Amino acid sequence: AQRVTQPEKLLSVFKGAPVELKCNYSYSGSPELFWYVQYSRQRLQLLLRHISRESIKGFTADLNKGETSFHLKKPFAQEEDSAMYYCALSESNYQLIWGAGTKLIIKP
Amino acid sequence: DAEITQSPRHKITETGRQVTLACHQTWNHNNMFWYRQDLGHGLRLIHYSYGVQDTNKGEVSDGYSVSRSNTEDLPLTLESAASSQTSVYFCASSESVGPGYGYTFGSGTRLTVV
Repeated sequence: AQRVTQPEKLLSVFKGAPVELKCNYSYSGSPELFWYVQYSRQRLQLLLRHISRESIKGFTADLNKGETSFHLKKPFAQEEDSAMYYCALSESNYQLIWGAGTKLIIKP
Repeated sequence: DAEITQSPRHKITETGRQVTLACHQTWNHNNMFWYRQDLGHGLRLIHYSYGVQDTNKGEVSDGYSVSRSNTEDLPLTLESAASSQTSVYFCASSESVGPGYGYTFGSGTRLTVV
């Protein structure tokens, strides 16, 4: 079955330290993967999509089909990165399969 | 600018009452979705629609209904509100041209059932 797993419910790192939010997926087809971010009391917003291969707010994510992973990385965390992060996989029927989310806390 | 708006932002209602949450988008997206967000569960799909007059049940549809009479609106109705439906509700929309475009979300409705 299609599934997205974010193994960490909570991740806490110090400002300036590297950040890696893990996302693993299981999908029989060719996956389209996304990272969404939700800052405190705000709406979810799209952060990255793997087809764009872009860097947003210093974050990057590489699709590793061999390891079925799409981890989100940033070399130097900033306090404003504190938020809830969701990994999602798009099915061919336009629906998204969501991970349970990881709460990222950046300590000063 | 195009947007997706939800109303009300906050709602307190009593058990057993019917409640309707509004979602309106001006993106001209065919696809619209309703989610609830609860601690420990992430986002769970309630109902979705791929176009006018089309509605489909998601994984947690019991006690909820939707209707799609036009492209812009997908109201979510709680037929008889229960305390288990206390949650934050998000509406989202997306393009139909391909799954790679992602979703645009509304700002959410915080519903409390007392």
